[in-house]
Amino acid sequence: DGGITQSPKYLFRKEGQNVTLSCEQNLNHDAMYWYRQDPGQGLRLIYYSQIVNDFQKGDIAEGYSVSREKKESFPLTVTSAQKNPTAFYLCASNARLTGRNYGYTFGSGTRLTVV
Amino acid sequence: SQQGEEDPQALSIQEGENATMNCSYKTSINNLQWYRQNSGRGLVHLILIRSNEREKHSGRLRVTLDTSKKSSSLLITASRAADTASYFCATDALGQETSGSRLTFGEGTQLTVNP
Repeated sequence: DGGITQSPKYLFRKEGQNVTLSCEQNLNHDAMYWYRQDPGQGLRLIYYSQIVNDFQKGDIAEGYSVSREKKESFPLTVTSAQKNPTAFYLCASNARLTGRNYGYTFGSGTRLTVV
Repeated sequence: SQQGEEDPQALSIQEGENATMNCSYKTSINNLQWYRQNSGRGLVHLILIRSNEREKHSGRLRVTLDTSKKSSSLLITASRAADTASYFCATDALGQETSGSRLTFGEGTQLTVNP
């Protein structure tokens, strides 16, 4: 079955550590996105990529970094510069070239907690 | 900043009743989408309505769009306990490099359907 896989489901980070969240899709989608969700709130865009080897900052990119070396993969690194990283992180994809009027497909999320 | 704002923030109804959620947005759009999120899970795309459409149906879902008022509503008819979830509207704004390149989400409506 096609879909998006995020791993791990739960992640604990110590102060000062960098951690990387994995996002893999087998939908052959061009565009991929990272969103952050805080309790009781909506989603805020961190980074997005519309094509391999290219990505753009979203609304809250500070303290995060991404790469897009393969179409299928869009990992997110939460760096030590992100002062409040505890949140639920959601990865999504979209068939950009043909998907002007299609919805996003989301992964099941990674819950990151600073300990 | 969040493009969409849902109203109400929380809604509690009995099984069999209809549930109506509203969304307001600020800028001109290509389309507006509704998503559902079960607690602690990823989002699931429900329905997309284009800017030149006024109403759309999908099963028990009915979405309306009023671009003059920059507002949309989602109606769930004959609700079931399994409809309990958070519902988010998301807008694909005009003027972006490529339509669909980034969605902006509202803060959601928490719907509780009591058996």
